[in-house]
This record gives sequence, C-alpha cells and structure tokens, in this order.
Amino acid sequence: GESVGLHLPTLSVQEGDNSIINCAYSNSASDYFIWYKQESGKGPQFIIDIRSNMDKRQGQRVTVLLNKTVKHLSLQIAATQPGDSAVYFCAEKWGAQKLVFGQGTRLTINP
Amino acid sequence: KAGVTQTPRYLIKTRGQQVTLSCSPISGHRSVSWYQQTPGQGLQFLFEYFSETQRNKGNFPGRFSGRQFSNSRSEMNVSTLELGDSALYLCASRGTGSETQYFGPGTRLLVL
Repeated sequence: GESVGLHLPTLSVQEGDNSIINCAYSNSASDYFIWYKQESGKGPQFIIDIRSNMDKRQGQRVTVLLNKTVKHLSLQIAATQPGDSAVYFCAEKWGAQKLVFGQGTRLTINP
Repeated sequence: KAGVTQTPRYLIKTRGQQVTLSCSPISGHRSVSWYQQTPGQGLQFLFEYFSETQRNKGNFPGRFSGRQFSNSRSEMNVSTLELGDSALYLCASRGTGSETQYFGPGTRLLVL
C-alpha cells in the first residue's frame, strides 16, 4: 500500500552539528521526491526536491540523497541552527500530482 | 510574490454541519491540491484541481468535495461533519511545468 516511512520519529542534535533524517518509500515507480519542514502552527515549507534520475542534490546547507535500489531517501542539514527545529516530512509523488507523505521526524536542536 | 493563502485560519463547527474552506494559490499557479493533516494519520491527499477540473482524488468519503474557479482559487467543502474531521486542512499550489507544491498556512477545523 501507500507508505512513506521514517526510521526515527525524533532526532536531537547539538547546535552546529550535522543532522541526517532518513526516509523509506514504497513506490518504486515514484519519479519525484520532496522534503518539507513544518514549524508549529505553519504549513509545510519546501526545502529541497529530487527526481529519480538523480542520486544527490544540494541546496543551501541541505543535501538530499536518493538510493533507488533500497528505496531510501535522506535529508542532510549541515551546521544545524536553532531555527532548524521543526518536523521534517519526506514525500513521494504518486501518479499525476498526488504526494504521499511520511509521518514526519521532529528535529530538536540543543544549544 | 505572495504565497498561498487560506481562509479562514480557524473554524469551530458542530457535528452534522457543513463547512467551506477557501484557498488562493500563488499568482500564476493553476494547480491546487488539498491535504488533511491529523496527528494519527499524518498528511493525506484529498484532491487536486487544474483548470477547474478535478484530476486526482484521494481515498476520502463523498462528504469531501471541492471545486476550482476560473481564477484558480479553490474551495473545499465538507458536509455532515464528524468529530474525526477535526484536522488541519492544507492547500498547495503548483506552477505549470513544475513538480513543486507550495503549501499555505492551513485552516484548523475543530468539530465539536
């Protein structure tokens, strides 16, 4: 069935350290994946996306890695800051424009 | 460019009532999708509209419906509200030729 899961529901890191958030997806036919950040009381905010013809994509302080062999996606955040504290969701595109979301990982940054 | 806007931001209804939520996409975006977010089920796709046509529908009962207007603004309607409909309803818009969906702040619906 549809499922995009996350290995860890919570992640706590020290300010300045790198964070890695993992995600397993289920649909081997998905050709597009996306990460969102959601802060309390707000809607999901786009972070970075990647197509299935790529295995890595970098943004500002963020990198997404895609391993299609094991259907695994990860989000790396470099030098985490207090403002990075939020819930992070991965999602895969099913069919035309339907996104199937994971349950989310809560990232907490310790000072 | 202004982001996706949703109105109202908060709503309290009682069981059996109906509700209409509104979404204005980013200027120039013609695709609008709706999602329901609850602590138990997470983010779930409701439906997607493009040029006033519903192109995709999630696994929700017929009480959930939507429409899109010629200016790309969209509304979703929930009839005969149930307690389990309490959720954050999110709207996302997408530009033509792009895969990226941008979300609004959501409408928080509480059904009593």
